[in-house]
Amino acid sequence: GENVEQHPSTLSVQEGDSAVIKCTYSDSASNYFPWYKQELGKRPQLIIDIRSNVGEKKDQRIAVTLNKTAKHFSLHITETQPEDSAVYFCAATYNFNKFYFGSGTKLNVKP
Amino acid sequence: GAVVSQHPSRVICKSGTSVKIECRSLDFQATTMFWYRQFPKQSLMLMATSNEGSKATYEQGVEKDKFLINHASLTLSTLTVTSAHPEDSSFYICSANPLEALNTGELFFGEGSRLTVL
Repeated sequence: GENVEQHPSTLSVQEGDSAVIKCTYSDSASNYFPWYKQELGKRPQLIIDIRSNVGEKKDQRIAVTLNKTAKHFSLHITETQPEDSAVYFCAATYNFNKFYFGSGTKLNVKP
Repeated sequence: GAVVSQHPSRVICKSGTSVKIECRSLDFQATTMFWYRQFPKQSLMLMATSNEGSKATYEQGVEKDKFLINHASLTLSTLTVTSAHPEDSSFYICSANPLEALNTGELFFGEGSRLTVL
C-alpha cells in the first residue's frame, strides 16, 4: 500500500511566523492529497486539499504545494496564530479508495 | 454538515473479552467506511476498509479474525475486537465519505473510541 511520511513531528513557532510541514508519498498513482487538523480532544477536520493535476492551492493563510515528480507535498501556514496550534495530518489516496495518513505534526504557536 | 457518530467513546474490558465499537453516519449514506487506529505518537494507521454488503478489506499486518468488521447497512459499520489483550489498547477512530460528496474526497471522522484492556 501507500506509505506517507511526514516531517517534522513537532514544530514550534512564534505567533506571526510561518510554518511549513512536509510529506512524501510512495505510490505515484495517488492523486488526491488532503490535510487534516486535529485539535486536542477533537476529531480530525479537513482544512485544505490538492489534486494531482494542480501544483499549488491557497486558501487565505494556508496553502499546499505538490511536486508529483518528487512525490512530495507541503502545507504552508502564514501569519500563524495561537488557534493554529493543533496536530496536522497529511494524507494520500488514489481515487478516494483508501486514505493513508502521515504520522502527524504537532504545531505549537507561541503567543 | 456530515456527521459521524462513534460509540462507545471509552471502554475498559478484561483481557480475553470482546468489545464492539459502532460507527454511524447520521445524516448521509456511506458504502465505505474506514477504520483507523491512532497511536500515542499521533499517527493514524489505516486498519481496514469497511464495505457495505461485502467483506472488509484489511491492511497488511492487521488480523481480520481479531478485528471483525461488519458493514450491515449504509449508515452503520461495527468493529469488534475479539479476545482483546492489553496490546490492543488504543484509540480507534472511524471515518466515512458521503456518497454524494465522493468527488470532494472529504472524510468525516467519528469521535473515536478509547479502548483499555486490563
